Amino acid sequence: DTGVSQDPRHKITKRGQNVTFRCDPISEHNRLYWYRQTLGQGPEFLTYFQNEAQLEKSRLLSDRFSAERPKGSFSTLEIQRTEQGDSAMYLCASSPQRRLGNEQFFGPGTRLTVL
Amino acid sequence: GNSVTQMEGPVTLSEEAFLTINCTYTATGYPSLFWYVQYPGEGLQLLLKATKADDKGSNKGFEATYRKETTSFHLEKGSVQVSDSAVYFCAIQGAQKLVFGQGTRLTINP
Repeated sequence: DTGVSQDPRHKITKRGQNVTFRCDPISEHNRLYWYRQTLGQGPEFLTYFQNEAQLEKSRLLSDRFSAERPKGSFSTLEIQRTEQGDSAMYLCASSPQRRLGNEQFFGPGTRLTVL
Repeated sequence: GNSVTQMEGPVTLSEEAFLTINCTYTATGYPSLFWYVQYPGEGLQLLLKATKADDKGSNKGFEATYRKETTSFHLEKGSVQVSDSAVYFCAIQGAQKLVFGQGTRLTINP
């Protein structure tokens, strides 16, 4: 078990550029989640997948954001036309499918800075 | 929707002191409750959880009891150590997503 991995760990970009982040979940986990965390705040839910199906999206996920999980394994989160307000830590988590209290295992995050 | 209100920090204690970090929630249905911890330079880790009323979650000397009557899930530890210095997040889970509190930064001085 190598845990959830995210790439890159840090990304600095200029306003208006597009960025893409990758998340590799724990291999046997069929659920994958994206969260965003700004300084001094708790993580906020963005979206989640069960296998390759995107089942829920937050209102925070504007039309500039898109997430995919094409084969039910790794996932990508793309932000188009980045804005300074997009600067945050983007967290990925995965979990197995259980009825109650399915623990989510978090990756180390990708820190995005938009200049 | 579900929400969590967490004790504001920062909290500074001396080693071996008793710790309480308050967490209250609002929810529909029967949510699960979690405490996650973020050590300096590391990712979020699950500390403990409880899935139904009156359940007590425990780990590493920390405990929290799911109190439906007071809608609370306070985190306690009888004797803290310097290594417990971290940010602690209370979280609630209804269907799938976690809803987090704003976090409480804890510093333990030797």
